[in-house]
Amino acid sequence: SQQGEEDPQALSIQEGENATMNCSYKTSINNLQWYRQNSGRGLVHLILIRSNEREKHSGRLRVTLDTSKKSSSLLITASRAADTASYFCATGGNFGNEKLTFGTGTRLTIIP
Amino acid sequence: SAVISQKPSRDICQRGTSLTIQCQVDSQVTMMFWYRQQPGQSLTLIATANQGSEATYESGFVIDKFPISRPNLTFSTLTVSNMSPEDSSIYLCSVTPDRGLRDTQYFGPGTRLTVL
Repeated sequence: SQQGEEDPQALSIQEGENATMNCSYKTSINNLQWYRQNSGRGLVHLILIRSNEREKHSGRLRVTLDTSKKSSSLLITASRAADTASYFCATGGNFGNEKLTFGTGTRLTIIP
Repeated sequence: SAVISQKPSRDICQRGTSLTIQCQVDSQVTMMFWYRQQPGQSLTLIATANQGSEATYESGFVIDKFPISRPNLTFSTLTVSNMSPEDSSIYLCSVTPDRGLRDTQYFGPGTRLTVL
């Protein structure tokens, strides 16, 4: 079964706007990761946040983690057409000894 | 990070046949993984393939259907056997680096399989 549920399932916004997607998970974690998938191709790792971190930034990406609510959010600021993709959260992968369990994904469409 | 290639990138196969997917990594890695992504769905782990040991399959996946080879630290194959239309999916391999950020997995570009 999927560890993570993501919402919304699909999101369409105008270019330049900010996009926020959320991930909830069920069990305790050591870290949570976000991946991007363009057009059904391979996944690209975006960012990893550890359980003792509350917020992390990478370029236009901002990830938050609330372990008390078992949830995370990914914010993409100043969206671009190239950000159109599916975004997945994943838990596990602890120091290479554990499989990754993926959320259901959010399909993001940026309208030029 | 690791650079991963997969062959073929896509294929259309007939029911009852088998397809072998190759995964090549540009560096030596201990842990490799094979995932399936059914149309419109998320990724599901098929098996973990560590060099020097038998592949470990997840619940719902069996070796007779998805035999895996891992002959060395840079290469693995996944065979989808006796295919049916339900096997139409994207199959992805991934690796965990032996050094650096080991919590992260790096993915190949995927193999899009359509079974008629």
